[in-house]
Amino acid sequence: QSVLTQPPSASGTPGQRVTISCSGSNSNIGDNYVYWYQQFPGTAPKLLIYRNNQRPSGVPDRFSGSKSGTSASLAISGLRSEDEADYYCAAWDDSLSGRVFGGGTKLTVL
Amino acid sequence: QVHLVQSGAEVKKPGASVKVSCKASGYTFTNYEINWVRQASGQGLEWMGWMNPNSGDTGHAQKFQGRVTMTRNTSITTAYMELSSLRSEDTAVYYCARERFKVGLLGNHYYGMDVWGQGTMVTVSS
Repeated sequence: QSVLTQPPSASGTPGQRVTISCSGSNSNIGDNYVYWYQQFPGTAPKLLIYRNNQRPSGVPDRFSGSKSGTSASLAISGLRSEDEADYYCAAWDDSLSGRVFGGGTKLTVL
Repeated sequence: QVHLVQSGAEVKKPGASVKVSCKASGYTFTNYEINWVRQASGQGLEWMGWMNPNSGDTGHAQKFQGRVTMTRNTSITTAYMELSSLRSEDTAVYYCARERFKVGLLGNHYYGMDVWGQGTMVTVSS
């Protein structure tokens, strides 16, 4: 059972806009920044979004992050087949004094 | 080019310890914290802990209390994670990842784990 809750799966067709949610509490998302990671099978995760809505250089602006209260979202617009991957949210948790990840969302491009 | 290169796969018996190394290159080793994250087969990411290579300060997830040790050798820009009292549930791929931080007045500011090692498979089996 992960501290941050994500839907196990999401899907969309090419060109669509898809959002993945991440729900937490005051001790993590409510009071700290949210980070998003993308992971393809058999490879290391890749940083997609940091500090709620900032994109590292090289990440397309089709990816965007937002946060409201104790929830966060990752939006992917103009969905492409190569976006098919697992997506994880993460945040620091003040109660646990550690970082926590969501359980991950497997995105399928139909 | 910035790289984190981890040591090779390990097979350990229950109760043993494993030490995974993470060799950094292409950047100033002491300017980025090193995090350790593991992933069991078919499962999600699990954060284990962090280390500041400059000060040697560390922090870890509560579930690893007493079992995990994170160290570094700055002269060879290498971080280490040792996990003891291994059990079958510790079978996983272990990743190191760097994270930029800035010291702030009210605490450090973090910018995400932007470079990851290739992962080290640790298998615990009798």
